[in-house]
Amino acid sequence: EVQLVESGGGLIQPGGSLRLSCAASGFTVSDNCVTWVRQAPGKGLEWVSSIYRGGSAYYADSVKGRFTISRDSSKNTVYLQVNTLRAGDTAVYYCARDPTGSNYGGWFDPWGQGTLVTVSS
Amino acid sequence: DIQMTQSPSSLSASVGDRVTITCRASQSISVYLNWYQQKPGKAPKLLIYAASSLQSGVPSRFSGSRSGTDFTLTISSLQPEDFATYYCQQSDSTPLTFGGGTKVEIK
Repeated sequence: EVQLVESGGGLIQPGGSLRLSCAASGFTVSDNCVTWVRQAPGKGLEWVSSIYRGGSAYYADSVKGRFTISRDSSKNTVYLQVNTLRAGDTAVYYCARDPTGSNYGGWFDPWGQGTLVTVSS
Repeated sequence: DIQMTQSPSSLSASVGDRVTITCRASQSISVYLNWYQQKPGKAPKLLIYAASSLQSGVPSRFSGSRSGTDFTLTISSLQPEDFATYYCQQSDSTPLTFGGGTKVEIK
């Protein structure tokens, strides 16, 4: 069964950093695209970052230069390093797999259960 | 960036009703449009991919269609478990973008 489990969220002060983890099972992260999507409280879904099969990474403008996506094949885990956090980064962060292996035209299935990041002093 | 305009933002419907949700892309995205369902406190779930392909395990009352840059999600006969928020998402190019969501409530 394909499954994703996020961890690493928590309460962090503005300007702080966290590393979010997305542990995968049932598939190999290095052979797939894995994406991070966030959802601020009571708001819609916002794409954050994707890492593709070849290792190329893309970011939303709102996080570029502050967030870094990476993967560890030995742990079959994708990470999102989030730095210089702002109140506007407060959200549930989901990871999801794109099973197509393509750089475009894909979709997200399945999704993890999400991890909450709260940025507040 | 490709903007996805979803309408309506909310609707009230009764069990058994036919429900239609629309998503319009600001430019051509071919068939690269997906639909998700999200229930409160839960992760989104894929319903339709590539505009009209039904994800495995999703009931056949859900369907998707495309006309140019307009995309439609139809629920042919609304069931109690379908009350949720629905999102469209384009995967033609980064930044990947979602519609604003449609909350389907009980009338």
